[in-house]
Amino acid sequence: GAVVSQHPSWVICKSGTSVKIECRSLDFQATTMFWYRQFPKQSLMLMATSNEGSKATYEQGVEKDKFLINHASLTLSTLTVTSAHPEDSSFYICSALDRDRMNTEAFFGQGTRLTVV
Amino acid sequence: RKEVEQDPGPFNVPEGATVAFNCTYSNSASQSFFWYRQDCRKEPKLLMSVYSSGNEDGRFTAQLNRASQYISLLIRDSKLSDSATYLCAVNSGGFKTIFGAGTRLFVKA
Repeated sequence: GAVVSQHPSWVICKSGTSVKIECRSLDFQATTMFWYRQFPKQSLMLMATSNEGSKATYEQGVEKDKFLINHASLTLSTLTVTSAHPEDSSFYICSALDRDRMNTEAFFGQGTRLTVV
Repeated sequence: RKEVEQDPGPFNVPEGATVAFNCTYSNSASQSFFWYRQDCRKEPKLLMSVYSSGNEDGRFTAQLNRASQYISLLIRDSKLSDSATYLCAVNSGGFKTIFGAGTRLFVKA
């Protein structure tokens, strides 16, 4: 299957700092990537849809100025959590759609566990 | 109403049992359907896609009912290693994948 690499796998940061998470499709081109957040024992919640070369589309209730998404190339999308606070501590996962196989399953990165102290 | 709904469980079953999960979706225009498995603190892994004709992979059978807008997953002869959270996923407009809350399964010896 297709490979999506997410980095870092875990990060601990101080309250008020910003954290950048990268999501790369290694063996396919992804016009569209998705960012999810998952709190303990809860479902994956879609935060935003990232489209190469255009602005991300955010789900209702997700602050676009706090969660900055950049999708500058067909293989890389980044999520920056700005001015992170303890309530932002969560598991963040990206997924990507193969541009050439749009109606198939999305491929997930390994996830990033963010802890804000 | 949530776009994709699942019974969160947990389902506690003995080894060898048959267990079934259902998942309902609200968007009648949805095109693709999937079951994922998620182990604790890991990313979801695709278990199987769900086709209109139904599909089977070993002990796992998935079915789609478009008229009633639900998908199902049947696990036969449960193993201890089947213990996990099972997420249904639906591709709606714009190819967004929306997940259900997940159903937790515990298989006990």
